[in-house]
Amino acid sequence: GAVVSQHPSRVICKSGTSVKIECRSLDFQATTMFWYRQFPKQSLMLMATSNEGSKATYEQGVEKDKFLINHASLTLSTLTVTSAHPEDSSFYICSASQGRYTEAFFGQGTRLTVV
Amino acid sequence: TQLLEQSPQFLSIQEGENLTVYCNSSSVFSSLQWYRQEPGEGPVLLVTVVTGGEVKKLKRLTFQFGDARKDSSLHITAAQPGDTGLYLCAGFKNNNDMRFGAGTRLTVKP
Repeated sequence: GAVVSQHPSRVICKSGTSVKIECRSLDFQATTMFWYRQFPKQSLMLMATSNEGSKATYEQGVEKDKFLINHASLTLSTLTVTSAHPEDSSFYICSASQGRYTEAFFGQGTRLTVV
Repeated sequence: TQLLEQSPQFLSIQEGENLTVYCNSSSVFSSLQWYRQEPGEGPVLLVTVVTGGEVKKLKRLTFQFGDARKDSSLHITAAQPGDTGLYLCAGFKNNNDMRFGAGTRLTVKP
């Protein structure tokens, strides 16, 4: 399958700082990228969907000013957690899809801990 | 309420037993995927089903897509400890967003 690289895999930051997570499709062009958040022992909750070159579509209850998503190219999307709080600590996962209705491939995930 | 309902949520069996995981919805999906996730890692795609009634086999795993494209099942024959993990179904709706079921956490004891 296609390869999606997510970086960093783990990050610890102080409350009030911002953290950027990168998601790259290494061997295909990703027209759509998805960002998920996963709490321990739970499933993935979709945060936002982004299409290259356009603004991300956020799910209800997800603050767009807090979770900034940029999808500037067909191989890179970034999620920036701004003014991080301890309750933002979680496992964040991205996935990338080549087009409409095609399967998505996932990054390795980023474990964010806000202290 | 989850768009995709997965059952059971937890399953603990002995090595060698068979099991079936179900993924149900009231919505029609253009395609449905099954993933397996291990702790601390991203989900890994197992299979994609597209056609109503489709059956796909992957070694000891058999996947079926319902005729109406609203439900799917995953059957594992002679489960092994290496099958332990979180199994997730996910579907694409016509608006190009991808939704996941709550997952089935499978433990296979040696």
